[in-house]
Amino acid sequence: GAGVSQTPSNKVTEKGKYVELRCDPISGHTALYWYRQSLGQGPEFLIYFQGTGAADDSGLPNDRFFAVRPEGSVSTLKIQRTERGDSAVYLCASSPEQGPYNEQFFGPGTRLTVL
Amino acid sequence: AQTVTQSQPEMSVQEAETVTLSCTYDTSESNYYLFWYKQPPSRQMILVIRQEAYKQQNATENRFSVNFQKAAKSFSLKISDSQLGDTAMYFCAFLLGGGGSNYKLTFGKGTLLTVNP
Repeated sequence: GAGVSQTPSNKVTEKGKYVELRCDPISGHTALYWYRQSLGQGPEFLIYFQGTGAADDSGLPNDRFFAVRPEGSVSTLKIQRTERGDSAVYLCASSPEQGPYNEQFFGPGTRLTVL
Repeated sequence: AQTVTQSQPEMSVQEAETVTLSCTYDTSESNYYLFWYKQPPSRQMILVIRQEAYKQQNATENRFSVNFQKAAKSFSLKISDSQLGDTAMYFCAFLLGGGGSNYKLTFGKGTLLTVNP
């Protein structure tokens, strides 16, 4: 079956612009996660959705970052007034439900470059 | 807060040989899970192996096995009969069990493994 997909694969933008990154989870997975992977680092947690609601957004770095999942499936990560420090690979993952027994399946990520 | 440390930024191994990747972690919790993920150039993270902290027996998955030393907070990955396709970044990760934030993976910085022909 289809895995987690993310679009676009790469995004280049200018400082100050607005960007949207999309994640299509595996069908039927209720839990969805966003992570950010900066150059030379491991992924860092940003936000977790259970269904339509953001159950934990404690990893979002500031209020320029926002994510939605209006119908409990596709999620969009939105970044306003992008800064060069936002350049990273943004990874999305989904799992059947929340909890350590449920493997998180990752997408290929979106590489965001802010010039 | 939990931390995960991978002290080997890069390693290399000859095809068919065995290599061990190191990972240490710090936590005050007793109920947790540990993982090794593989990230090839395609960027897609793939789960290699997982270990429940309450299990004394080390996990194995085909050519991959772990050495879990709970008291020492050490969790190393052994890859036997290395193959060219094993070339990738390998990340050690920690996850709390029980209630609370049992969905938030904490990753190390990774080890780049190169398998040479």
